[in-house]
Amino acid sequence: KQEVTQIPAALSVPEGENLVLNCSFTDSAIYNLQWFRQDPGKGLTSLLLIQSSQREQTSGRLNASLDKSSGRSTLYIAASQPGDSATYLCAVRDSNYQLIWGAGTKLIIKP
Amino acid sequence: GAGVSQSPSNKVTEKGKDVELRCDPISGHTALYWYRQSLGQGLEFLIYFQGNSAPDKSGLPSDRFSAERTGGSVSTLTIQRTQQEDSAVYLCASSPGAGTEAFFGQGTRLTVV
Repeated sequence: KQEVTQIPAALSVPEGENLVLNCSFTDSAIYNLQWFRQDPGKGLTSLLLIQSSQREQTSGRLNASLDKSSGRSTLYIAASQPGDSATYLCAVRDSNYQLIWGAGTKLIIKP
Repeated sequence: GAGVSQSPSNKVTEKGKDVELRCDPISGHTALYWYRQSLGQGLEFLIYFQGNSAPDKSGLPSDRFSAERTGGSVSTLTIQRTQQEDSAVYLCASSPGAGTEAFFGQGTRLTVV
């Protein structure tokens, strides 16, 4: 059974710092991995999608990597801003096309 | 619209009443998912539709919950005889295909009083 773990559960850093969020999964048989952000009381916004054949994807200040063999993905946020404060979720698409979710990392960027 | 649309955005209902939640996926998307998220909790899978295949209903918590997807587009999640523990945000997502990027609506916040 696929399990997804996100570490840390919460993170608070000063504005301007670079930071890394971690996501690990137990079964390497995935179609893709997707990172989302969720703002309080809101839905989920897709940030980056990495296909199983890819190693990384970049969008602006965000970079996501995927090491399928070791069951790990990282989300790198450069030059963090207060507007980056949100809960970040990773989800893997398993062999049944289901999205299996991590519990999220709550990120606070202090001005 | 360009994104996944859910209605209503908020719904307050009395315990015991039935409710219907609607999801309009992105046009052309064949996959549609329903999740719910209780306060401070992670996403709980409810049901998955893919094209004309039989839906995966394995996440529905009880027989009070049902969902339909008409014409491969709009989906309705129905909760019968609502209970207070049904209070949550119900999220809908769609994907162009079975294993592709998922896009979420803004959710319906259901409060059962």
